[in-house]
Amino acid sequence: DIGLTQSPATLSLSPGERATLSCRASQSVRSHLAWYQQKPGQAPRLLIYGASNRAPGIPARFSGSGSGTDFTLTISSLEPEDFAVYYCQQRSNWPPGITFGQGTRLEIK
Amino acid sequence: QVQLQESGPRLVKPSETLSLTCSVSGSSISTYYWTWFRQPPGKGLEWIGFIYFRGNTDYNPSLKSRVTISVDTSKNEISLKVSSVTAADTAVYYCARHHEYCSHGSCYDGYAFDLWGQGTLVTVSS
Repeated sequence: DIGLTQSPATLSLSPGERATLSCRASQSVRSHLAWYQQKPGQAPRLLIYGASNRAPGIPARFSGSGSGTDFTLTISSLEPEDFAVYYCQQRSNWPPGITFGQGTRLEIK
Repeated sequence: QVQLQESGPRLVKPSETLSLTCSVSGSSISTYYWTWFRQPPGKGLEWIGFIYFRGNTDYNPSLKSRVTISVDTSKNEISLKVSSVTAADTAVYYCARHHEYCSHGSCYDGYAFDLWGQGTLVTVSS
C-alpha cells in the first residue's frame, strides 16, 4: 500500500489567514492526489483532484499543488465555513489501492 | 441531480453479515465505478472496495476475505456485504462514485470520488 502522511495534525488559525496543509506519499503517486473537506456528521466533499484541479463549485480560495510525493493544499483566506477536517487521498493502479491520509483538523484560533 | 443513499440494518450482531445497499438516483450506474468506504467513529477513512457496472471488482486486501460488492443495474443499486463482523467493523459506511472529467471531447479518470452518499452508521453489538 502507498501510505499518505498529513501535517500538521491540527492547525489553529483565524478567519482571513492563509492555511497551508501538507500531504506526503510513501512513493510517487504522480499527480493522482485528491483533497477532501469533511465537516461533523457529513460525508467528505471533493475539493481538488489531479493534485491541482478544483472540483466544480469549489471556491477559488482553495488551491492544490505538488506532484510525485509532496503535495500542498492552500486556503488563501480562511472563511468561517472552512474550519473542518481535511484529508488527502490517492488511488494507484500499482500497487492497486486507495488510501487516505490521517487528516488535518483546521480549527479556529 | 445525482444522489446516492445508503440503507440497511443499523445494528448487526458479532459474527453475522453486514449488508448495505446504495441506491443511485438521477443517473444510471452504468459507465461508472462505484466504491464503498467506511469511517469508524472519530477516525479516518478506509477504502473497502469498488465495482464497475459490468461486475469487475477490487477490494482492500485487509478486508478482501470478508467483503463482497455487487451491482443490480435493473434497480440502479450497489450492494455491500461484510461477513463475520466484529466490533472493529462499527463505522459509518459510505458509497461514492469515481470521478471522471471531460475535456475537449474526451473523458478521463480523475482518480478521486466526486459524489458521496450521506453515510449510514452500522454498529456491531450483541
